[in-house]
Amino acid sequence: KAGVTQTPRYLIKTRGQQVTLSCSPISGHRSVSWYQQTPGQGLQFLFEYFSETQRNKGNFPGRFSGRQFSNSRSEMNVSTLELGDSALYLCASSLVPGAEAFFGQGTRLTVV
Amino acid sequence: QQQVKQSPQSLIVQKGGISIINCAYENTAFDYFPWYQQFPGKGPALLIAIRPDVSEKKEGRFTISFNKSAKQFSLHIMDSQPGDSATYFCAASSSNAGGTSYGKLTFGQGTILTVHP
Repeated sequence: KAGVTQTPRYLIKTRGQQVTLSCSPISGHRSVSWYQQTPGQGLQFLFEYFSETQRNKGNFPGRFSGRQFSNSRSEMNVSTLELGDSALYLCASSLVPGAEAFFGQGTRLTVV
Repeated sequence: QQQVKQSPQSLIVQKGGISIINCAYENTAFDYFPWYQQFPGKGPALLIAIRPDVSEKKEGRFTISFNKSAKQFSLHIMDSQPGDSATYFCAASSSNAGGTSYGKLTFGQGTILTVHP
């Protein structure tokens, strides 16, 4: 059974640009959550989606957004990139919200 | 009230020894406590998890001990091996609030475990 797939694995963007990250959950999983991991702040919750609806949002500015499609795949978007957005962005999938969450390998975003 | 505090930040153990990592939480609504293991360049991998209806859960060499009254839980790694060298994260979530399930995980800051051969 394939795990959580995140694409791309690595990205380099310039300040002010926008970026879209993709996540394909484990087959049959309908809930997707996104986290930002940095050395200073650790793992921080961004948002959670279930049945194409955002159910929960972390304390991040509006430049961070996401969506979930009918096949449970999810994307997150960061607009007007700042240097501080450089991080490992992780996607986790679970059968339903609150069930065991399994993470992908992440997308390493570097903003220069 | 949403914090999860993890200690120690780093831990060095000899092969065959016991590794112990502790976490404390404040939010009494938390009802799910997983531990994740992360190797460099990889995403966190679910190791073991516990819910507050039990005080201990064991899976192989890994044991979670849970103290609801103290709002603390810990991970014990028995017979630690060099391959266990990784960063370990505790986490907590309030998976059911007002009849609605949520999956938001609040993570501890992580413990870098090094097991010397």
